[in-house]
Amino acid sequence: QSALTQPPSASGSPGQSVTISCTGTSIDFGGYNYVSWYQQYPGKAPKLIIYEVNKRPSGVPDRFSGSKSGNTASLTVSGLQAEDEADYYCSSFAGGINLHFGSGTKVTVL
Amino acid sequence: EVQLVESGGGLVQPGGSLRLSCAASGFDSNVYWMSWVRQAPGKGLEWVTSIKHDRSARYYVDSVEGRFTISRDYAENSLYLQMDSLRVDDTAVYYCARVPSVTATGASLYFDLWGRGTLVTVFS
Repeated sequence: QSALTQPPSASGSPGQSVTISCTGTSIDFGGYNYVSWYQQYPGKAPKLIIYEVNKRPSGVPDRFSGSKSGNTASLTVSGLQAEDEADYYCSSFAGGINLHFGSGTKVTVL
Repeated sequence: EVQLVESGGGLVQPGGSLRLSCAASGFDSNVYWMSWVRQAPGKGLEWVTSIKHDRSARYYVDSVEGRFTISRDYAENSLYLQMDSLRVDDTAVYYCARVPSVTATGASLYFDLWGRGTLVTVFS
């Protein structure tokens, strides 16, 4: 069972925005700014799209943005495109050597 | 091309062993912490183990401690995972991943390069 809770699904029409939440405990997020997000297409490896809450690796469109407030982190995909249809996972440092992942959210582009 | 390529997965009975390999190319993996992350069928991701670039530290998730061993070969620019005493709940796709940032305690903070994964199936 995943330590971080995400909604199983989210959807939006092309051009709209969709926001995915990632909820944990104070242990998961605490005072850390080490939340990351991954995009995964079926049968493919995950791809890092956000790290340290709101930083984007080179090559990731600025349509993807991250934020954190208290024990909840969020990923927003703006200007939704067909290629954004995928599974999205959050992860967070949880103290010690622990890194927790979320349960995953399937994003559907209507 | 910068990439990681895993191999060595397969079918094994409970109590059996497998050795996974991960070949790095296009970059020097020897200067990075490296990890294995797994994903059970239809499930989410789970960090399994990490090894420091100089092999002086290795960390494991509690469920595999004492059964799995991570190692690396500098000459081969490769990462390995020896899995012993395998259980049905070890069934998963195992990904090799590069760790660009760790905490002072050695926790992997995120993974910026992933392999395509290799499937391990433990069946009774």
